[in-house]
Amino acid sequence: DARVTQTPRHKVTEMGQEVTMRCQPILGHNTVFWYRQTMMQGLELLAYFRNRAPLDDSGMPKDRFSAEMPDATLATLKIQPSEPRDSAVYFCASGFAPPERESPNEQFFGPGTRLTVL
Amino acid sequence: LAKTTQPISMDSYEGQEVNITCSHNNIATNDYITWYQQFPSQGPRFIIQGYKTKVTNEVASLFIPADRKSSTLSLPRVSLSDTAVYYCLVGEAVTGFQKLVFGTGTRLLVSP
Repeated sequence: DARVTQTPRHKVTEMGQEVTMRCQPILGHNTVFWYRQTMMQGLELLAYFRNRAPLDDSGMPKDRFSAEMPDATLATLKIQPSEPRDSAVYFCASGFAPPERESPNEQFFGPGTRLTVL
Repeated sequence: LAKTTQPISMDSYEGQEVNITCSHNNIATNDYITWYQQFPSQGPRFIIQGYKTKVTNEVASLFIPADRKSSTLSLPRVSLSDTAVYYCLVGEAVTGFQKLVFGTGTRLLVSP
């Protein structure tokens, strides 16, 4: 049963510390999405990768957030330095988009990383 | 971006059919309509997607009128385990991909 995996599942850190969240997309998927979910803002798209290339990161605070895909099996989201307002659940999702479509029909979400910044 | 409007919450009882309607007045020609379900402490899960008329799968049906300005997700004979938040999404081509925007969703509570 193929699933998106995310690590860590929970992270508590202090303001100013660096946080790295990792995601392993489903094998064969060529798109990866990072979302952030809070009670106030709901689910927000932070970044989108297709074939490991970043296509959109307009939803991401550029000064402190960065997203990368070192290889097809790993996507990372890094926050440096972290702030209390970054506390949220961060979801990674992957999907397969055929060449003729701009995006996948379906996104498969991971279990999320619950981040708390004190 | 095409904006969606759906009820904040709905209540139902086990065994009933539940219909959740979503408005998307500014939907574009190339937009698909997608519904996701989210349980507490889990990521959203794809339910169904459609472009026009009616789509049915083993979980739900999606009804889309000819003008496509709204859509209705129909859940037949709900059970307690269908208690979740349901999101209606309309994609829009942005810099070469369909950017899906999750709204506030509809919180469905199914009671015994």
